[in-house]
Amino acid sequence: SQQGEEDPQALSIQEGENATMNCSYKTSINNLQWYRQNSGRGLVHLILIRSNEREKHSGRLRVTLDTSKKSSSLLITASRAADTASYFCATEGDFGNEKLTFGTGTRLTIIP
Amino acid sequence: DAMVIQNPRYQVTQFGKPVTLSCSQTLNHNVMYWYQQKSSQAPKLLFHYYDKDFNNEADTPDNFQSRRPNTSFCFLDIRSPGLGDAAMYLCATSDYGGETQYFGPGTRLLVL
Repeated sequence: SQQGEEDPQALSIQEGENATMNCSYKTSINNLQWYRQNSGRGLVHLILIRSNEREKHSGRLRVTLDTSKKSSSLLITASRAADTASYFCATEGDFGNEKLTFGTGTRLTIIP
Repeated sequence: DAMVIQNPRYQVTQFGKPVTLSCSQTLNHNVMYWYQQKSSQAPKLLFHYYDKDFNNEADTPDNFQSRRPNTSFCFLDIRSPGLGDAAMYLCATSDYGGETQYFGPGTRLLVL
């Protein structure tokens, strides 16, 4: 069964605005990761947050993790047209079996 | 640059005609993964190798097989493709299971 559910499924914002995407998952995790996928391409790793971390930053990205609510959010600040892509969260379960389970994804469109 | 390479990028095959997709990596990673991704869906793990150890997902059809002859190469064989197997096939690697995965650009398979 799919681990992560993402919300919203699609998001359109004006260039320069902030974009927030949410991910919920069902079981205990070792880490949660966010990936970006441009149309018709492979996935690109953005950021990894471990289960004992609550917030992490990387450039214009800010990720939070609330293990009590089994949820995470990805904030992209000062969005650019090049941020247009699908964004997926992925979790590694705490049973450590080398696998990631991907969420359903959020399709982000930045309007110039 | 170290990378994950998939060939071909586009593959057209006929219903029932065996097809092989290839993946190579210059990252020297221990783990290699094959995912199937259908339009607007999350990547679905088919199987993965930890070194030479093969790990099949329970719901991966028998029609899908894989080979990893050495650290650098991994192949996905679809023995008798059906129309439902048309999808993007993504190869990924990681140094240690559950950590950041590095994806190739994908092979888009069309079944006629």
